[in-house]
Amino acid sequence: ETGVTQSPTHLIKTRGQQVTLRCSSQSGHNTVSWYQQALGQGPQFIFQYYREEENGRGNFPPRFSGLQFPNYSSELNVNALELDDSALYLCASRDGTVGNTIYFGEGSWLTVV
Amino acid sequence: RKEVEQDPGPFNVPEGATVAFNCTYSNSASQSFFWYRQDCRKEPKLLMSVYSSGNEDGRFTAQLNRASQYISLLIRDSKLSDSATYLCVVNSRQAGTALIFGKGTTLSVSS
Repeated sequence: ETGVTQSPTHLIKTRGQQVTLRCSSQSGHNTVSWYQQALGQGPQFIFQYYREEENGRGNFPPRFSGLQFPNYSSELNVNALELDDSALYLCASRDGTVGNTIYFGEGSWLTVV
Repeated sequence: RKEVEQDPGPFNVPEGATVAFNCTYSNSASQSFFWYRQDCRKEPKLLMSVYSSGNEDGRFTAQLNRASQYISLLIRDSKLSDSATYLCVVNSRQAGTALIFGKGTTLSVSS
């Protein structure tokens, strides 16, 4: 529906491991943002990429990193996973024009054990 | 103080009831305001934008008071399908296009 697809939908990792989450946006959507939503909380902004460059970051440590590719796909990488990283990770894209609708993917559920 | 604060909820109402959600934001530079709806274990979806003049979409009415930094959402004639979590969201030019979400208020409509 939104044209934003995320993978994997669910995964389980062990504390200390690394994880890569992927997002594929609509053609022309050159701005992508990632959000973390812990259980019972609202989504929290992690960072944003515009034309393959990070141009905004929330209050997350450097072990959260990302990449955006020319084909409108992007990645969220988290190193040294902690139990508190267990959350729904949401990718959101837009075409970069202020005021345009933001489209969310269905998210990736990460459980760290 | 959190940037966006909402009524803690949950709200449990019968079908047909009118329910109001309140939200306050702390950043006076906030420029865009939204209500999002989130169903259980799903992604947030835009319900409506909120304008200074107030706006209505069917049974839903949103109000913004910039002086008080207050946003509201009124749902009239509640339906079972309105059961969800409602997220108050703001955006400021300082934050780029990042959205700042409230914690959300859960609504449960029963028959």
